[in-house]
Amino acid sequence: GENVEQHPSTLSVQEGDSAVIKCTYSDSASNYFPWYKQELGKGPQLIIDIRSNVGEKKDQRIAVTLNKTAKHFSLHITETQPEDSAVYFCAPLGGDDMRFGAGTRLTVKP
Amino acid sequence: DAGVTQSPTHLIKTRGQQVTLRCSPKSGHDTVSWYQQALGQGPQFIFQYYEEEERQRGNFPDRFSGHQFPNYSSELNVNALLLGDSALYLCVSSLGQGGGNSPLHFGNGTRLTVT
Repeated sequence: GENVEQHPSTLSVQEGDSAVIKCTYSDSASNYFPWYKQELGKGPQLIIDIRSNVGEKKDQRIAVTLNKTAKHFSLHITETQPEDSAVYFCAPLGGDDMRFGAGTRLTVKP
Repeated sequence: DAGVTQSPTHLIKTRGQQVTLRCSPKSGHDTVSWYQQALGQGPQFIFQYYEEEERQRGNFPDRFSGHQFPNYSSELNVNALLLGDSALYLCVSSLGQGGGNSPLHFGNGTRLTVT
């Protein structure tokens, strides 16, 4: 099965700075790479995803980059705001089931 | 357009008891998956229901069972509850069986506490 690791486990940045979270996976057959944001008391919400035929995708302040050779993909958040504070999960899809990383707790200090 | 709804939001049970959690998928979705999220961890896949049948299953004992109804809603049943079953149980709906072709929509979960 898929082995998924996220780094760092916690990240604290100043408002306006950038944040980068990295996800490594083991299944070379993975072809779908989403990132989810989970706020307190809520379920995870999809914020951005990328497929294996694309190297980078951007949506306003967030972007995802994929390196299939090295088997990792990263979430980039620019101009961070306090409302970006949450737990972020990667969940690469390899085979039939989606495995989630352990999560990264991002804190944006005003 | 209603999103994924789960009930109840919170539940307290005693070891050895049985529990049933309920989920209504997002309008237009036909597939329901269940995940267990322990405190401070990522969600763990329990199983997926499509066309009223269990299609995929994660590494969970058969104390965990489910059902999908003709209207696509679903139930998760857990028998002989253990303290370690305390977690947030998340329902996820999608169109078709996922595989990245349909975004997953999560409910806000049911917080189960086993004492």
